[in-house]
Amino acid sequence: QKEVEQNSGPLSVPEGAIASLNCTYSDRGSQSFFWYRQYSGKSPELIMFIYSNGDKEDGRFTAQLNKASQYVSLLIRDSQPSDSATYLCAVNIQGGNTPLVFGKGTRLSVIA
Amino acid sequence: GAVVSQHPSWVICKSGTSVKIECRSLDFQATTMFWYRQFPKQSLMLMATSNEGSKATYEQGVEKDKFLINHASLTLSTLTVTSAHPEDSSFYICSAREQLTNQPQHFGDGTRLSIL
Repeated sequence: QKEVEQNSGPLSVPEGAIASLNCTYSDRGSQSFFWYRQYSGKSPELIMFIYSNGDKEDGRFTAQLNKASQYVSLLIRDSQPSDSATYLCAVNIQGGNTPLVFGKGTRLSVIA
Repeated sequence: GAVVSQHPSWVICKSGTSVKIECRSLDFQATTMFWYRQFPKQSLMLMATSNEGSKATYEQGVEKDKFLINHASLTLSTLTVTSAHPEDSSFYICSAREQLTNQPQHFGDGTRLSIL
């Protein structure tokens, strides 16, 4: 069973703090990793992707990948109330045209 | 960036009606598209994988005769909910991925279906 695990939350952080979202995956052969944000009642939107070990930064967002530990994380700096959403980790496990395997998501609440 | 267009955004109809939802990739070709369903406060559930020019692959527990999928071109897939009943009321979301390696899935805005 190919799995992607996330803590369901809610993760509550004060405005301006760093929010840290974590994800583990079971298949060591996984090649690409994605973070999506889903607001309540809306569809998911892609916010970050990472393919190589290490950090990748995009504005206030940093994705971190550690393939040896099968761990991927998303850091959100200077968290804003508008960042309050569910964050989905997704992994390309099988490649080709197979669907990404999604975690169940972590609900983030940024408190003003 | 890659855009996926989904129509309609919401549908309200009577029980027994069939409803068709369209999903288009606007600026890329998608050999494969994916259909998801999401109930309130629950996670995404993959229903089926739609393959251009061939039959869809349905996930376990999804009735293929109830949820008809047609992927007639590289930019269009449709999901038809046949003889819809109140328990089919949900948020249906399509997704598509470019044909290149390691590409993300891009999601449509979703269709909120309410069956009375």
